[in-house]
Amino acid sequence: SQQGEEDPQALSIQEGENATMNCSYKTSINNLQWYRQNSGRGLVHLILIRSNEREKHSGRLRVTLDTSKKSSSLLITASRAADTASYFCAAVGGANNLFFGTGTRLTVIP
Amino acid sequence: NAGVTQTPKFRVLKTGQSMTLLCAQDMNHEYMYWYRQDPGMGLRLIHYSVGEGTTAKGEVPDGYNVSRLKKQNFLLGLESAAPSQTSVYFCASSSRQGNSPLHFGNGTRLTVT
Repeated sequence: SQQGEEDPQALSIQEGENATMNCSYKTSINNLQWYRQNSGRGLVHLILIRSNEREKHSGRLRVTLDTSKKSSSLLITASRAADTASYFCAAVGGANNLFFGTGTRLTVIP
Repeated sequence: NAGVTQTPKFRVLKTGQSMTLLCAQDMNHEYMYWYRQDPGMGLRLIHYSVGEGTTAKGEVPDGYNVSRLKKQNFLLGLESAAPSQTSVYFCASSSRQGNSPLHFGNGTRLTVT
């Protein structure tokens, strides 16, 4: 399986701190995507990084990709209480379907 | 735009009963997907469709059937529900397969007793 695997499973930080989540995957990919899920809702797309990219930014989000280590990280800077959610990575391989990890549960304490 | 709409939001079934989950998207997307989400398992792909009239199996297709008679709709059927199918089901759509974001509905919470 090309499933992504997030680490840590849960993370609790104070508002204003940075949050870093990691994702590892098993086989070669075309791209890797990060999603956020608020409790009781569907997933919302955050950012897509292609296999030939090493870093990408979107607002307070920074994603890195290391294809040699088959890993990616998501950094949320200056976290807010509204960032409390679960975060998932999804590896996209040759079949072009998304394989999701089990997620990181982020809690931002006001 | 409504995006991706799933009905119903909640359902309780007895073992052996059947039901159909409906997904509708108004973004003219070619690709549609059904996932299930279980605690500690992440999201797993059940079936998907690359266009009207097409369906294909994902990771966990057993016990489910799908149909895509109209481009905007993707139906997921359970012919004989089992307790192992208790889960939250998410439908998603995308404009391209793999290289564009998925747009998700808000899910259907199904309990099979």
